[in-house]
Order: sequence, then structure tokens, then C-alpha cells
Amino acid sequence: EIVLTQSPGTLSLSPGERATLSCRASQSVNGNYLAWYQQKPGQAPRLLIYGASSRATGFPDRFSGSGSGTDFTLTISRLEPEDFAVYYCQQYGNAPWTFGQGTKVDIK
Amino acid sequence: QVQLVQSGAEMKKPGASVKVSCKASGYTFTDYYMHWVRQAPGQGLEWMGWIYPNSGSTKYAQKFQGRVTMTRDTSIRTTYMELSSLSSDDTAMYYCARQYSESPHDFWGQGTLVTVSS
Repeated sequence: EIVLTQSPGTLSLSPGERATLSCRASQSVNGNYLAWYQQKPGQAPRLLIYGASSRATGFPDRFSGSGSGTDFTLTISRLEPEDFAVYYCQQYGNAPWTFGQGTKVDIK
Repeated sequence: QVQLVQSGAEMKKPGASVKVSCKASGYTFTDYYMHWVRQAPGQGLEWMGWIYPNSGSTKYAQKFQGRVTMTRDTSIRTTYMELSSLSSDDTAMYYCARQYSESPHDFWGQGTLVTVSS
């Protein structure tokens, strides 16, 4: 099973600042099948990034994903108030599919 | 538009079973896998397994093998997740989420809260 480790656990930033979230895999992710999800309180997760770097429908271009192999990054170039949430990475290239433990982006 | 509508909250006693449903609309039901993911209160996401409605084939996370059963009824476009031998550790929000080919979960249900308490 591929273990995904996200860092940091919490990121305290102000609106307008840049957020950089990391997701490290215990072994190479097949096909770079790495996704990021955004989850707000009381809501289901929402697909944000797939294939490590493709942005899902409905998300603005201030969100970007990068990386390959075992190291992946989600960047939010300038935080907007609606971006404060928990972000999870997930690998879907190897069974069983696994999630990271999440990074909470909160308001400083 | 795509919708995944799950059944309502459940309260169960330890040792019991729970069956959660997920009704799909707005897309070709048999073309997409349906996964189940759970989230304990204040915790992260945990993948439980999937069912392919076209054939009924399933794949479960090893942790839930022998305790989870995923089924479907194509006539009503609904998938089910049944979890048996419940304990307090199974208290969680349970989500269904569809998936196609080599893509991740692009639509999720609203979640079903299952509470296990004596």
C-alpha cells in the first residue's frame, strides 16, 4: 500500500499570500495518478487537481499542481477567503487507493 | 446534472450492520465505478472499496475484507454499501463517489452519518 504523507499539517496564512502544500508518496505513483481534493466544513470533498497537474472544472487558475514520482505539490498563488479549507492528496494509480492525512489551510 | 443522493443518517448498536444507499442520476450509471470513502469525526479520508455497476464486480480495501459488501441495483441506479459487526470505530461519515476509467472521484454524494453507540 502506498502511504501518502502531507506537510505541513496546518498552514496559517493571510489572504493574498501564497500557499505551498506537499504530498510525498512512499513509492512511485503509477502514471502520476495523483489527485488533490478540497474539503470545507460540513461538505463532501471536491476534486481540485487530477493527473498531478490538471485542474478540475470550476477551480480558478490560482490553483496549480505539480510533481511526479513520489513528490507532489499543490500551490495556491494568492489565497482568497474561500480557499481556507482542508486539502487532501490521493493516489489512484495503485490499489488500494490511498489518501494523505490532509493539510488545513487556515487564516492567520 | 450529475447527482449522487445518499440515504439518511443511521444510528446503530455495536455488533449490528448498516446498509447505506447511493442513488445516481444525470449520467450513464453503468459506465462509472462507484467508490465508498469514509471519514471519522475530525479525521481524514479512508478508501473502502469500489463496485462496478455494469458487472457487479467489487474490490475492497483489505481492512474491510469480510465485513463490507457493495452491491447495486441497476434498475433503480443505486449502489449499496453494507458494513457488518459495527463498533464505535465505525462511527463516521460515509461517502459514495463515482470514478471513470483512469480518473479520480469527480462527483461525491452528500454523505451519510453512521453513529455506532450502545
